[in-house]
Amino acid sequence: GDSVTQMEGPVTLSEEAFLTINCTYTATGYPSLFWYVQYPGEGLQLLLKATKADDKGSNKGFEATYRKETTSFHLEKGSVQVSDSAVYFCALNTGNQFYFGTGTSLTVIP
Amino acid sequence: DTAVSQTPKYLVTQMGNDKSIKCEQNLGHDTMYWYKQDSKKFLKIMFSYNNKELIINETVPNRFSPKSPDKAHLNLHINSLELGDSAVYFCASSRGDSDYGYTFGSGTRLTVV
Repeated sequence: GDSVTQMEGPVTLSEEAFLTINCTYTATGYPSLFWYVQYPGEGLQLLLKATKADDKGSNKGFEATYRKETTSFHLEKGSVQVSDSAVYFCALNTGNQFYFGTGTSLTVIP
Repeated sequence: DTAVSQTPKYLVTQMGNDKSIKCEQNLGHDTMYWYKQDSKKFLKIMFSYNNKELIINETVPNRFSPKSPDKAHLNLHINSLELGDSAVYFCASSRGDSDYGYTFGSGTRLTVV
């Protein structure tokens, strides 16, 4: 069945370090892919999305490219800040159903 | 502001009580959802609902029931609360097509004591 797998956390980085959070998916058809961010005590917010192969979503310095050949949508940021500390969720929308990954907790230390 | 709003933000109650969480969206979305997030941040879909169809996750106990007075509201009623119901509950809405993500409320932290 359709699913999303993302790397387990927690991830701890120093400020200005490079971030990669891996996400792979299994789906029939042509799903849309998303990254959501949940800051402490808040709901999930859409961070970025890509709706077709080779699309790159970007927002707030974060990027992810929809790779159909590797069924991946890895989240990257070149230089993280303390304010990026949050839980990040990869997600997949087939049009019939939405699938979330298990979330990856990121802590950025000064 | 256009948003998904849910109330209350915090709810502390005793075992055995019945409680409700309200959700409203003014985005004009067709479909609304309830999710449960456990202490490990895992998100579990509980219900999805549009004007035509209620889809219930079969693992959700029947003590939980959604009530939708209209397209913009989807409330969650919980009967006979148990300790294991303690979690954060999120309401969300969507347009229903695959290109569009979900918009989430800010969550209700339910604590059963």
